[in-house]
Amino acid sequence: AQKITQTQPGMFVQEKEAVTLDCTYDTSDQSYGLFWYKQPSSGEMIFLIYQGSYDEQNATEGRYSLNFQKARKSANLVISASQLGDSAMYFCAMREDTGRRALTFGSGTRLQVQP
Amino acid sequence: EAGVAQSPRYKIIEKRQSVAFWCNPISGHATLYWYQQILGQGPKLLIQFQNNGVVDDSQLPKDRFSAERLKGVDSTLKIQPAKLEDSAVYLCASTLIPREKLFFGSGTQLSVL
Repeated sequence: AQKITQTQPGMFVQEKEAVTLDCTYDTSDQSYGLFWYKQPSSGEMIFLIYQGSYDEQNATEGRYSLNFQKARKSANLVISASQLGDSAMYFCAMREDTGRRALTFGSGTRLQVQP
Repeated sequence: EAGVAQSPRYKIIEKRQSVAFWCNPISGHATLYWYQQILGQGPKLLIQFQNNGVVDDSQLPKDRFSAERLKGVDSTLKIQPAKLEDSAVYLCASTLIPREKLFFGSGTQLSVL
């Protein structure tokens, strides 16, 4: 079964607007972490934001925020005031605190910011 | 602080040939990962090391892939013999402790012809 599901293969957004990238996850662990990474065309994976399963507040990092809905098992990334440089692939990932502890990644969403 | 170093950046080989990739993690990072990223997909874990011991290699195709991390620092991933479906980007990542975010290298893009 898919651990991480990203249902939007591609998204378009106008510059300066906000965009939400969807992520749902599946785990029976009580303790886990959720991550978002950005991968520009150059290929490197850039860490954006982290949310722990016990964190009560939604994580925020500058223009990035994570809309964490534990009961629905969703961890959507919100990018406010999109910039042209935000055009990239975005991956949601989960780390389960029992077992392997390695990150499991979703299939990604390609975001294109239009001027 | 220096990041995760990987080499080579690109490699083109013919099927049935062998190839090796090298990774030097961030200094002091005990945990090292190798991920395979096929075009259009998310990274998939191949192997995880804690210091010089293997934590998880359940998804490593052991009939052709091997990896080592001698002395608990840098690591080598080898494919022998390569198949067409091994064409992918091989990403190395490291972290100080497993709960922390992963720091990734720039990857090695492998093309098998």
